[in-house]
Amino acid sequence: QVQLVESGGGVVQPGRSLRLSCAASGFTFSSYGFHWVRQAPGKGLEWVSVMTYDGHNEYYADSVKGRFTISRDNSKNTLYLQMNSLRPEDTAVYYCARAFMTMVTRSLGYWGQGTLVTVSS
Amino acid sequence: QSALTQPASVSGSPGQSITISCTGTSSDVGGYKFVSWYQQHPGKAPKLMIYDVSNRPSGVSNRFSGSKSGNTASLTISGLQAEDEADYYCSSYSSSSTLEVFGGGTKLTVL
Repeated sequence: QVQLVESGGGVVQPGRSLRLSCAASGFTFSSYGFHWVRQAPGKGLEWVSVMTYDGHNEYYADSVKGRFTISRDNSKNTLYLQMNSLRPEDTAVYYCARAFMTMVTRSLGYWGQGTLVTVSS
Repeated sequence: QSALTQPASVSGSPGQSITISCTGTSSDVGGYKFVSWYQQHPGKAPKLMIYDVSNRPSGVSNRFSGSKSGNTASLTISGLQAEDEADYYCSSYSSSSTLEVFGGGTKLTVL
């Protein structure tokens, strides 16, 4: 069955970096687009970034553009989110999500359990 | 401020029907048939309930239905049940540089 497992979260000081990983299994990884979505404590979902199935295109929310970088390693069935220059407002649970259908990015059909990132001094 | 506008809360009694709205612009909701709806229970990951405006993934109850008119999409839940109490979020493909936008979420209370 489809499984997405995030890792890499933790407590980090403002201005520092962190890299999140999302290990996928149960499907053909290279056929799907992937998103990162975050949720600050007690708040709603905020879309962060997406990478197309072929890795050729990536998009970012304005709030993270220039600081975060999404990438994928199809040989390892893993999605990444490199987060630099972290700010307290980046504190959230970060979810990895797979597109519902192949070769498109819309409709987040499967979600991981999330990993908590806390940015605090 | 979220890109898509949802009511903060709705409520209904068991057996009743409720509708949650999701208002965007012609650059997202109004311009494409790519609206999705997600259900999130406390402490859990979101679950896809509706995709492409009105399609249900396998395993989602037919009590959940979606529609769209102009720049506003809607999620209707009929025959409300206690387990439907959750937060609901809409999202849409967007022609802006961000590609995907979410609504602020609606808390559904089953009275």
